[in-house]
Amino acid sequence: QKEVEQNSGPLSVPEGAIASLNCTYSDRGSQSFFWYRQYSGKSPELIMSIYSNGDKEDGRFTAQLNKASQYVSLLIRDSQPSDSATYLCAVNPFSGGYNKLIFGAGTRLAVHP
Amino acid sequence: DGGITQSPKYLFRKEGQNVTLSCEQNLNHDAMYWYRQDPGQGLRLIYYSQIVNDFQKGDIAEGYSVSREKKESFPLTVTSAQKNPTAFYLCASSRTGPLNEKLFFGSGTQLSVL
Repeated sequence: QKEVEQNSGPLSVPEGAIASLNCTYSDRGSQSFFWYRQYSGKSPELIMSIYSNGDKEDGRFTAQLNKASQYVSLLIRDSQPSDSATYLCAVNPFSGGYNKLIFGAGTRLAVHP
Repeated sequence: DGGITQSPKYLFRKEGQNVTLSCEQNLNHDAMYWYRQDPGQGLRLIYYSQIVNDFQKGDIAEGYSVSREKKESFPLTVTSAQKNPTAFYLCASSRTGPLNEKLFFGSGTQLSVL
């Protein structure tokens, strides 16, 4: 059974700090990796995608991928209270075609003023 | 505006009843998906479809059925065989092909049992 593991949290950080969210996956052949943000009672929204080893930056968000260690992380710089949400890590174990994403259970982030 | 529309937002099912959740998209996406989310858990794939008149079971298809008669529509029926249907149901769509993996989600349907 292919798995994606995340700490459930809550991860509590002060406003302006860096929030670090981590995710590990079991299928070594996985090709693409995603971070979704989900506010309570709402649908997930994609915030980052990453396909190759290293860092990918987009505004205050940085995704990091290490395929050898089978982990992917998300850094949120200058955290804001509006970043408080559940962050879902998703992994596609297939190289294109069907998007049979496998989702982790999510990490709840709480940014306090 | 393009997007995915799910209805209803809230749905209540009586014991032994089948209920159908609607999902319509105007993004011209070939692929559509149904996910189930339980509190504190990630999304689990119920069914998916890449083309009209074809669909595949996901990880938790038992007790559910789907149809894909039109590209724009992918309704999900929760049958009486699904003994624990209370959950948040999410429909999604995407383009197909390499690196076309961004999922667009509808706003979800919360299903509860009376």
